[in-house]
Amino acid sequence: GQQVQQSPASLVLQEGENAELQCNFSSTATQLQWFYQSPGGSLVSLLSNPSGTKHTGRLTSTTVTKERRSSLHISSSQTTDSGTYLCAIDPMSNYNVLYFGSGTKLTVEP
Amino acid sequence: AQTIHQWPVAEIKAVGSPLSLGCTIKGKSSPNLYWYWQATGGTLQQLFYSITVGQVESVVQLNLSASRPKDDQFILSTEKLLLSHSGFYLCAWRTGSNTGQLYFGEGSKLTVL
Repeated sequence: GQQVQQSPASLVLQEGENAELQCNFSSTATQLQWFYQSPGGSLVSLLSNPSGTKHTGRLTSTTVTKERRSSLHISSSQTTDSGTYLCAIDPMSNYNVLYFGSGTKLTVEP
Repeated sequence: AQTIHQWPVAEIKAVGSPLSLGCTIKGKSSPNLYWYWQATGGTLQQLFYSITVGQVESVVQLNLSASRPKDDQFILSTEKLLLSHSGFYLCAWRTGSNTGQLYFGEGSKLTVL
């Protein structure tokens, strides 16, 4: 089956610091997506980045498909960034299926 | 604007009792629909998906079933709950494209006692 590994499991930052989250996956994926899960459980899609580098706001994702890894960089962290960041991939045969990593829990302290 | 509504927000149920969780999408025709589940402290897992009315594909077997009776409705159910069904259930939709963004409902928290 698909394996998605995320690191670190948790991260504590001071407001204004940058965060670097990692995602490694065991097979080639069509879609590599990053999600934010709030402490209450709701989920929001952040970025879809199967390869290369993508930016949105303070987020930058870099995916190296051949090496089966992706990173999410959060610049100038804010307390409202606190939550869990999930990485997910789909198998190349079916983009309607997603496999998630266990997430990185980010805590940004004031 | 498209909206997604899940119900109920939370349920406390007894082992062996039936369950029905629902999800309705408004403002989008023929969306692809998805059910996900997350045990407390666990990894999010996809349960089902549906591309069209009346057709549902299972991804993970958890003694649950899903149905899509209408274009805008996705139902998750079981006749007999297990303790292991406890957790957080999320419904999502997206356009029928592999580049379409996923939009999630607010989730339903289920506690099985």
